Amino acid sequence: DTGVSQNPRHKITKRGQNVTFRCDPISEHNRLYWYRQTLGQGPEFLTYFQNEAQLEKSRLLSDRFSAERPKGSFSTLEIQRTEQGDSAMYLCASSLRSDRADTQYFGPGTRLTVL
Amino acid sequence: QQQVKQSPQSLIVQKGGISIINCAYENTAFDYFPWYQQFPGKGPALLIAIRPDVSEKKEGRFTISFNKSAKQFSLHIMDSQPGDSATYFCAASIVGSARQLTFGSGTQLTVLP
Repeated sequence: DTGVSQNPRHKITKRGQNVTFRCDPISEHNRLYWYRQTLGQGPEFLTYFQNEAQLEKSRLLSDRFSAERPKGSFSTLEIQRTEQGDSAMYLCASSLRSDRADTQYFGPGTRLTVL
Repeated sequence: QQQVKQSPQSLIVQKGGISIINCAYENTAFDYFPWYQQFPGKGPALLIAIRPDVSEKKEGRFTISFNKSAKQFSLHIMDSQPGDSATYFCAASIVGSARQLTFGSGTQLTVLP
């Protein structure tokens, strides 16, 4: 395994449908992050897991969004009742918690288009 | 305030020239300042990072200059190459937190051959 992987890479859905994205972090990375990136902007933090525990959520993460990381391995991000404003690139990143190494490694992202 | 302000929005440089991108922050609790490079269709990739205990860090053609009193930091790309054409993001994170990154709005760099 050479990096963070995300699936699917692209998702087109109709407004009101539910979608689920998957992230597989780098092996043994205990921290996992979800970010959202809209066109022409930097990524914005959504939520963070340390192992299987979801420790922080942004105010951007409405009730329609839910994330899980069972067994501290892969993670899923589900969006219920999608809205056109949910159209964005959803990025996953992972890191290994240590005193000095804070490097977050990003996956290629899942581009969501809500019609 | 968690905001990180980045400028310019876009930058065009001739091959061999110096590219300079600037960022400013407000929250003095930030203690880690990375720069990420992003190519179209790819996720951001770490380029270079600095902590506030040093004023400059250099890795190859890339240098971060950090001014703690002014709450500013900048990325210098020496001898810019067409392959450096990408979007660059500065970011910051806070000690003791989940270490989530607060990103700037990005700079689209074009290096002309």
